[in-house]
Amino acid sequence: QSVLTQPPSVSGAPGQWVTISCTGSSSNIGADYAVHWYQRLPGTAPRLLIYGDYNRPSGVTDRFSGSRSGTSASLAITGLQAEDEADYYCQSFDNNLRHWVFGGGTKLTVL
Amino acid sequence: QVQLQQSGPGLVKASQTLSVTCAISGDSVSSKSAGWNWVRQSPSRGLEWLGRTFYRSKWHNEYAVSVRGRISINPDTSKNQFSLQMTSVTPGDTAIYYCARGVGSTPSDYNMDVWGKGTTVTVS
Repeated sequence: QSVLTQPPSVSGAPGQWVTISCTGSSSNIGADYAVHWYQRLPGTAPRLLIYGDYNRPSGVTDRFSGSRSGTSASLAITGLQAEDEADYYCQSFDNNLRHWVFGGGTKLTVL
Repeated sequence: QVQLQQSGPGLVKASQTLSVTCAISGDSVSSKSAGWNWVRQSPSRGLEWLGRTFYRSKWHNEYAVSVRGRISINPDTSKNQFSLQMTSVTPGDTAIYYCARGVGSTPSDYNMDVWGKGTTVTVS
């Protein structure tokens, strides 16, 4: 079981908006450690999507945005496109383990 | 442009040692601002950070609790690469192993911005 909890799957129709949650605890997100998000397209390596809670690396579309509140963080994807179909992972630092942890991953299906 | 090229056997027998190498281009394994990580992906565990090596006046290694004692990550400055060795493997270590560059000056900021393509390792 992952330290950070994500829903196993979410889905939405093209053009719609979806959010993916990442729930942690007082030893990671709740301790104010930043959350980073990765996208893993089928058969490819993960790609950094959001860093430092809400920052986008160069080349990432502004359809992706990040936010956080308390012990949770969220990734929002607007204007869903077929190419967004992928697995999404959150990552943070855990103060009890003293190393980085990932969420279990969320599979996004574009209907 | 930073690129990471992985190499290593795809099949390892149980109880033996897994070994994967990651060659770096466009950056240095001795960088004083980056860390060099291994992460694995399996259906049962999702993404799992395994450990990292980094240079800050001297070499440092950090390993995940789940694999500590079985894992070793070593830099090779002559070849600008780093490697993962995991001993006493079991079928539970079957996964895709990724190398990744980590950036960020604090544990909070630290994220992995460049990834290798992954090496599928099966333990039989």
